[in-house]
Amino acid sequence: NAGVTQTPKFQVLKTGQSMTLQCAQDMNHNSMYWYRQDPGMGLRLIYYSASEGTTDKGEVPNGYNVSRLNKREFSLRLESAAPSQTSVYFCASSETQGNSNQPQHFGDGTRLSIL
Amino acid sequence: RKEVEQDPGPFNVPEGATVAFNCTYSNSASQSFFWYRQDCRKEPKLLMSVYSSGNEDGRFTAQLNRASQYISLLIRDSKLSDSATYLCVVRGVGGYSTLTFGKGTMLLVSP
Repeated sequence: NAGVTQTPKFQVLKTGQSMTLQCAQDMNHNSMYWYRQDPGMGLRLIYYSASEGTTDKGEVPNGYNVSRLNKREFSLRLESAAPSQTSVYFCASSETQGNSNQPQHFGDGTRLSIL
Repeated sequence: RKEVEQDPGPFNVPEGATVAFNCTYSNSASQSFFWYRQDCRKEPKLLMSVYSSGNEDGRFTAQLNRASQYISLLIRDSKLSDSATYLCVVRGVGGYSTLTFGKGTMLLVSP
């Protein structure tokens, strides 16, 4: 039972390089999310996709782009990586907003370092 | 006032102790509340939802006080395996509302 799968688990980039973080869920959830977690900052929402075909900015979207490729997959792209983007990135998914008590289920994270 | 506030701890307790965490939230119209658990360098995992009437799951009890805008988590008979960071999570209102996470309270249970 995979749940939410993120790749890669670890990545080191040089400033200015680009990369895409992949996320896939097998729970048939409509909504997907990307967060970053930094020491002392808690989880902060970067972008989310309420349903297939839609994406919206979260709290900290600058420097990122997303693509909801299909219902299962939601990718996060760093076009020109900066040291401030060194963080742990979590993808999550949830049932649609119809029932407000639906929690989010998380992948096990991507640890990204920008040198 | 921050949206979701928690005491960062750490709370150091011996095995078998009872420990309680509180969390305050700023939006009085918030609709849904959760406690998540996060182990070191791992992903957050849902511990329990928090219902208006309060709810219990084994050794864990969650309470909601809408008038004072706080939720609480009580852990009875602490186990070593309860050592983790506990995240308070609140969902807003209207349209498509996203979750706001507290920074977490660290619990360390010692033998």
